[in-house]
Amino acid sequence: NAGVTQTPKFRVLKTGQSMTLLCAQDMNHEYMYWYRQDPGMGLRLIHYSVGEGTTAKGEVPDGYNVSRLKKQNFLLGLESAAPSQTSVYFCASSYHRTGPLNQPQHFGDGTRLSIL
Amino acid sequence: DAKTTQPPSMDCAEGRAANLPCNHSTISGNEYVYWYRQIHSQGPQYIIHGLKNNETNEMASLIITEDRKSSTLILPHATLRDTAVYYCIDLSLGSARQLTFGSGTQLTVLP
Repeated sequence: NAGVTQTPKFRVLKTGQSMTLLCAQDMNHEYMYWYRQDPGMGLRLIHYSVGEGTTAKGEVPDGYNVSRLKKQNFLLGLESAAPSQTSVYFCASSYHRTGPLNQPQHFGDGTRLSIL
Repeated sequence: DAKTTQPPSMDCAEGRAANLPCNHSTISGNEYVYWYRQIHSQGPQYIIHGLKNNETNEMASLIITEDRKSSTLILPHATLRDTAVYYCIDLSLGSARQLTFGSGTQLTVLP
C-alpha cells in the first residue's frame, strides 16, 4: 500500500516553461489537495478536489491549474513557471465527508521545484 | 491566517515526556483539534485529533481543556526521531476541510 505518491520528487525549470506534477493515491479517497510550502512557513492550499471531475480554488490558486480526471489522480499544472513558484509542493488525500467525517489527510513526500 | 497559536520552539530530553501547548482562541463548536508533525524534508504526518474529550493513540495523547480554548499534545517518551515541527489545527468539517497550517512548534529532542 503506497498511500500518496508524488512525481517527480525534484525538478528545475526555467522561467516560462510549463510542467505538470502528478499525485496518485491508492486509498480510494474522494478528497485530494495541493499545497505549497515556502521556507519557514506553513502549508498553503492551492487547489483541491472533492471528487472525480471536480476542482476548486484554495488560498493561493493564481498561476496554477488542476485536473481530476480519475479518482486516484490529481494533477497540478504550471503553464508558465515563474521564480515566485519556487517551493515544495505537497499533495494530500482524505475520505469523503459522508464517510468517516473526521478522518485525517494523508500526505505525499513532496515535489521540490526550483524556477530559475 | 492560522487560527491557533503555538510557541515557536521547545526542547525536550530524550526519554522524557514532551508537552506541546496550543491555544485555540477562536475555535467553534463544530471544529476538531488536529495535530500534525513534519519531520525535515518529509510530508506532514497525522498524529491525533479530538473534539471534546482527551484522546490517546499509539503515538501520543491529546488533552483538550473543558472550554476547548487550549490543548496539549503529549509525547510520553520522546525519542530523537520525534524532532520535528508540530502543528495544531482547528479543522471545520465544511465542504473542503482544508488544513490551515501556522508556523508550528519546532521540537528538538536532545540526547
